[in-house]
Amino acid sequence: AQKITQTQPGMFVQEKEAVTLDCTYDTSDQSYGLFWYKQPSSGEMIFLIYQGSYDEQNATEGRYSLNFQKARKSANLVISASQLGDSAMYFCAMREYMDTGRRALTFGSGTRLQVQP
Amino acid sequence: NAGVTQTPKFQVLKTGQSMTLQCAQDMNHEYMSWYRQDPGMGLRLIHYSVGAGITDQGEVPNGYNVSRSTTEDFPLRLLSAAPSQTSVYFCASRPPTGVAGELFFGEGSRLTVL
Repeated sequence: AQKITQTQPGMFVQEKEAVTLDCTYDTSDQSYGLFWYKQPSSGEMIFLIYQGSYDEQNATEGRYSLNFQKARKSANLVISASQLGDSAMYFCAMREYMDTGRRALTFGSGTRLQVQP
Repeated sequence: NAGVTQTPKFQVLKTGQSMTLQCAQDMNHEYMSWYRQDPGMGLRLIHYSVGAGITDQGEVPNGYNVSRSTTEDFPLRLLSAAPSQTSVYFCASRPPTGVAGELFFGEGSRLTVL
């Protein structure tokens, strides 16, 4: 079963506007971590932001914020004041216990964001 | 600042050939992992290791072998390559931090199996 779901294959946003990238997750664990990564066309994976399941405040990192709604099991990424350099693939990921009893990170299928001038 | 180093960056194989993707990190990270990235499917976990001598299967382990004899190295072996293994492979590591702590990724290895 899909643990991380990103329902938006592609998104467009105008430069300087805000955009929300959706992510829902499924887990029975009480302790887990949620991450967002950016992958520009050059291919590297860039860590953006982290939210722990017990964190009471939504995480923020500069223009990135994570809208964490635990009851809904959603962890949406909000990018404020979009820039052309934000055009990339964005992946939501969750660290949780695998069947082996050890934690690993599983990823969603990604959302391709294109920022238009 | 070497970080996570993957070699080779590009490789073309014929069906049935074997090869090893190398991954090394110099950050003394206990945790290392391999992912494959395919269009529309994001990154899928192949194998991971929480320390030397310990390896576990991820979501898509079939057709791949790993070993972890040292903290620094985590090679991924394809014993008999198949066209379905055409993909971009990423190695990633992190220190032991429970649920927190981001992964540090290598630059990726693009593998084509003909």
